[in-house]
Amino acid sequence: QLQLQESGPGLVKPSETLSLTCTVSGGSISSSSYYWGWIRQPPGKGLEWIGSIYYSGSTYYNPSLKSRVTISVDTSKNQFSLKLSSVTAADTAVYYCARHTNYGDYVAWGQGTLVTVSS
Amino acid sequence: SYVLTQPPSVSVAPGKTARITCGGNNIGSKSVHWYQQKPGQAPVLVIYYDSDRPSGIPERFSGSNSGNTATLTISRVEAGDEADYYCQVWDSSSDHRGVFGGGTKLTVL
Repeated sequence: QLQLQESGPGLVKPSETLSLTCTVSGGSISSSSYYWGWIRQPPGKGLEWIGSIYYSGSTYYNPSLKSRVTISVDTSKNQFSLKLSSVTAADTAVYYCARHTNYGDYVAWGQGTLVTVSS
Repeated sequence: SYVLTQPPSVSVAPGKTARITCGGNNIGSKSVHWYQQKPGQAPVLVIYYDSDRPSGIPERFSGSNSGNTATLTISRVEAGDEADYYCQVWDSSSDHRGVFGGGTKLTVL
């Protein structure tokens, strides 16, 4: 059964870069049928799409975050990663990694990891 | 970018039918997906491609999509259905591809 697991620091200082990794098990990240993405949810608020990546490296980013976001994939480790630069308190959220089809339905999610931006 | 509008809350008595709407410009031309999220948990896909159910999702959950409104319908509502529900589309015509609605809190009275 496919499992996704987020990992990374739970506390990041303002103006620094948030870095998270999603490790995929029970399936190959190189599957041509799926994309891999990041979604976040500020405390008490709704879901926000951050971006997605295909195993070949093609990426799609939320225009509101595009200048600060980089998503990359490491097929040798079956992992993909998120970097968000110049963070502020507004970036405090639970960050989820997930797999979706080319129709955008997120069929598998990680458990989520809370990242707090604070000095 | 594309905007999806959901009512903030819907309330329903046990055993009755809940309908949660998702409004968007010509949303009927897009594939709509629905997620259930319970407190402290990751979202779970309950409807994809407007009206298909993933394995393990009860038949009580159904979806429809036409014109400017998509609807998630939950029949014979149970206490365990109380959760936040989000609609979502993948807008291939835009840079902002992944779009979520604001979410609807379903309360079972």
